[in-house]
Amino acid sequence: SQQGEEDPQALSIQEGENATMNCSYKTSINNLQWYRQNSGRGLVHLILIRSNEREKHSGRLRVTLDTSKKSSSLLITASRAADTASYFCATAANSGYSTLTFGKGTMLLVSP
Amino acid sequence: GAGVSQSPSNKVTEKGKDVELRCDPISGHTALYWYRQRLGQGLEFLIYFQGNSAPDKSGLPSDRFSAERTGESVSTLTIQRTQQEDSAVYLCASSIGTGTTSPQHFGDGTRLSIL
Repeated sequence: SQQGEEDPQALSIQEGENATMNCSYKTSINNLQWYRQNSGRGLVHLILIRSNEREKHSGRLRVTLDTSKKSSSLLITASRAADTASYFCATAANSGYSTLTFGKGTMLLVSP
Repeated sequence: GAGVSQSPSNKVTEKGKDVELRCDPISGHTALYWYRQRLGQGLEFLIYFQGNSAPDKSGLPSDRFSAERTGESVSTLTIQRTQQEDSAVYLCASSIGTGTTSPQHFGDGTRLSIL
């Protein structure tokens, strides 16, 4: 079964609003990453947060990690139409395994 | 360009035929990954190459699937005797280092349709 599960499955907002997506996972992790996928394209790495970090910022992105709840959130502030995409969380297991496990994603629609 | 390149971008074939998908990673990237993405789903890990180490084939769904990589260059994913359930987008990614803290850089995928 997949490690990460995003919530909600779909999110529709207006430009300028904030968008929050959540990710829950089941087992101990080394790090958690967020990726964006525009329609018909490959994934683009957004941000990585390590298991010993609680919050990280990159431009309009803010990621939090709560290892006690096995959950993470991605906040996009002041959203733009160009943020319309699917967002995936990916977890890296804590066992030295060198691959990521991706969730099913949240589809974000930002309307002008 | 400097990104990961995949070919073909689209492939339509009849059930039972073999298909070969190609991935050109970013130059200097030692790690290469193949994933499958079914419509509306997340990524399903298939296989991972790291330098000259033995590949991690644990995600390959059946013995109809195989992949090769020569050194740190091009990789090919081969699906033999294709089935309709093989229809999906096949994504390739590369990363510069070992482990999971090196971001993966993805190609735009090959959209495979089995008739």
